Amino acid sequence: KAGVTQTPRYLIKTRGQQVTLSCSPISGHRSVSWYQQTPGQGLQFLFEYFSETQRNKGNFPGRFSGRQFSNSRSEMNVSTLELGDSALYLCASSPGTGGHLNTEAFFGQGTRLTVV
Amino acid sequence: QKEVEQNSGPLSVPEGAIASLNCTYSDRGSQSFFWYRQYSGKSPELIMFIYSNGDKEDGRFTAQLNKASQYVSLLIRDSQPSDSATYLCAVGSQGNLIFGKGTKLSVKP
Repeated sequence: KAGVTQTPRYLIKTRGQQVTLSCSPISGHRSVSWYQQTPGQGLQFLFEYFSETQRNKGNFPGRFSGRQFSNSRSEMNVSTLELGDSALYLCASSPGTGGHLNTEAFFGQGTRLTVV
Repeated sequence: QKEVEQNSGPLSVPEGAIASLNCTYSDRGSQSFFWYRQYSGKSPELIMFIYSNGDKEDGRFTAQLNKASQYVSLLIRDSQPSDSATYLCAVGSQGNLIFGKGTKLSVKP
């Protein structure tokens, strides 16, 4: 069974640009969550998509957005990049059908974004 | 603000010893609890989850949950140098997974 696939693995962008990251979840999983990981702040929740709908959202500005397609693949977009957006962006896949219980989440290898 | 707290470490234990990693959380309504291991430069890997009070064992790993004290721990028996990594505690709270900042474990041969 294939794991979670994130593309690209590495990106270098300039301040003010925008970027789109992609995540393909484990086959059969309907929930995709996005996280930002930095040395200072650790893993911070961005948002979760389930069946093409944003189900939960963290405390990030509106420059961070996402979407999910009918095949459960998800994209995350960051507009007007800032230096502080440099981080490892991780996507996590889960069945998503645990109701109020979070079912276990499996991470992709991440996209390392550097903003210069 | 829902929080998950972990001692950042580093926690250093000799090979063969028991490593004890601890985590506290602020949201009393949390219902699911996870431990992830993250090697340097890699993504987090799920090693344990626990939903009910008490202990849950899986090989050399034991997760312990005490909802009254809002406390969850991970014990690693017979620690090996390959267990050296950062261990992240994650708590399911109202549909979100909230992560602690992790405890760095170093197992010395």
